[in-house]
Formats: sequence, C-alpha cells, structure tokens
Amino acid sequence: DADVTQTPRNRITKTGKRIMLECSQTKGHDRMYWYRQDPGLGLRLIYYSFDVKDINKGEISDGYSVSRQAQAKFSLSLESAIPNQTALYFCATSGPGYQPQHFGDGTRLSIL
Amino acid sequence: TQLLEQSPQFLSIQEGENLTVYCNSSSVFSSLQWYRQEPGEGPVLLVTVVTGGEVKKLKRLTFQFGDARKDSSLHITAAQPGDTGLYLCAVSNFGNEKLTFGTGTRLTIIP
Repeated sequence: DADVTQTPRNRITKTGKRIMLECSQTKGHDRMYWYRQDPGLGLRLIYYSFDVKDINKGEISDGYSVSRQAQAKFSLSLESAIPNQTALYFCATSGPGYQPQHFGDGTRLSIL
Repeated sequence: TQLLEQSPQFLSIQEGENLTVYCNSSSVFSSLQWYRQEPGEGPVLLVTVVTGGEVKKLKRLTFQFGDARKDSSLHITAAQPGDTGLYLCAVSNFGNEKLTFGTGTRLTIIP
C-alpha cells in the first residue's frame, strides 16, 4: 500500500464548482504539504502544515483552502473552481529538518 | 523571492552517453535535494546535500554541491532508458524548512 494516498486520481469538473482533494498518509509524519504542478513552472507550494494545529499559506494560496483533520489527513479545497486551476496536484509529507518529502501519485484536475 | 533555475529544460540523448544537468539559485541555500519524477507518479528523492563542495554518488549518478552553496549539478554516466524522467532540484533556506522547487529538466534516453 502507498504511504501517501491521494483521492481522486483524476477529476473533471465545471467552473464554479466546489472541489475537495484528499490526502492521507501512513508514515506518521507531522508535516504535510499541497503543491500544484504546471508545465514549465515546476512544483509550487499552495499550503503546508507542520502539525495538526498549524496551517500556513504557501506561495500560491489564493483560491484554495485546506483542512488538517488529523495527523494523517490533509485536504485541499477549491471553493469555486476556475479554469486556470487546471493542473496536477500533489500532496507530500516529511519529518523535521532536511528530511525528504514523500509524495503521493497526484490528482489530475481539469476545470472546464 | 528565491529563484531556482534548472538547465537544460529538455535533454534527449542516446543510451550510453554521459550528461550533466544544472541547478542554479539566486541566493545561498542551506540544503539541496534532487528528485526524479516519472509519468503518473510523484517525485522521489535521489539525494540530499548539505555541505558546500559536497559530492555524492548513487551508482551512475554523481551529485555536486557548489562551494558557494548557490548551485548544484547532476552527472549521469552511461545513461540508460530507465534514467528517463523529470529531474527536479529543491532547496531550503536557513531557518525555513520549506522547499522551493526548480522547474525541472525533462530527460529522455533513447535506446
């Protein structure tokens, strides 16, 4: 079983809809992250959480919100989706310091 | 805002050739990680370097961290089709453990 699981893997929806992407992990890590990946732009940080009571904005948080329901669960919401939010979304976890980030396999989201 | 540039953006070479890709930052960083991402999957860590001038080897891959802590290179010897993927560098800054990712080098090894 994957250590970091993202659901759904693919989603197509319409402009204005509310969407939630979910992430769960079995690694026991306190730190969790949401990124989006666009061609030519690499991975950009949307939100991150260093423990259950900690939520921080990343570099591109506008239009997104998150919820850290438990140590193992971190969800990303698009309250009113727009076409330029079409992208590949990744959840990641890590331990403290310079420890590597462990990524899920991504959610491919298309907003029509 | 820290800028992290990777070059080249795309590279396509024949199996058996050697190659080097680069990661350059606009400012000094405390640590650097290299990841490889294959289609349909998330990035997977290859190596972490934290000391200026450090060289690490992982089979046919050699990673070098610049003395000034602003750049890094990845050299692959005798490339194989299994090396195909998107290579990403990521840096963290002193006192800030978030990662900033580069835009990546998309490598294709032709059999």
